[in-house]
Amino acid sequence: GQQLNQSPQSMFIQEGEDVSMNCTSSSIFNTWLWYKQDPGEGPVLLIALYKAGELTSNGRLTAQFGITRKDSFLNISASIPSDVGIYFCAGPSYNNNDMRFGAGTRLTVKP
Amino acid sequence: DAGVTQSPTHLIKTRGQHVTLRCSPISGHKSVSWYQQVLGQGPQFIFQYYEKEERGRGNFPDRFSARQFPNYSSELNVNALLLGDSALYLCASSQIRVNTGELFFGEGSRLTVL
Repeated sequence: GQQLNQSPQSMFIQEGEDVSMNCTSSSIFNTWLWYKQDPGEGPVLLIALYKAGELTSNGRLTAQFGITRKDSFLNISASIPSDVGIYFCAGPSYNNNDMRFGAGTRLTVKP
Repeated sequence: DAGVTQSPTHLIKTRGQHVTLRCSPISGHKSVSWYQQVLGQGPQFIFQYYEKEERGRGNFPDRFSARQFPNYSSELNVNALLLGDSALYLCASSQIRVNTGELFFGEGSRLTVL
């Protein structure tokens, strides 16, 4: 239970294009988080969502907490080369002792 | 301010050996969690420690153990290493016990088991 399914697995886009990725679960989450992992680094938090329906932006990034609390999406506008990396959705487990992560979306941006 | 620091950054072991990984949380953070990240997957929860007590344990065998010291640093120990233990081991710290907010990750310890 409480598995997070991310799609797509990977994306290859041209610099300047917009990107959309999403995360779904068969279980309800009360918090949705989006992390980015660069090569050789640990994940870094991009956006945190705490309320169903919430739409939050962080620069060129926008994320939404789905109304059903079973999904979330992340959009990146006007992509740049430094957007390259792996994007993970995450949410706390039902007992809040651990964070569940999706398998990630690997983004490649071609200049 | 120093972030989460982990050591060693890379290590190679052979099957059956034992390994100890170390983590220093951000100053003021009392919660430390350990995650295993296998290539191509997201991090998988191993342990959470808060105020020196184990508060959560993931679905890992008893070969995995951890502890937290009075200064809130932590060690992860893995005994009788298997090839499948090869992974990036991530330590994350947070200010509070309840994982509803931000986890701050270190760069990880990359373990290769031959």
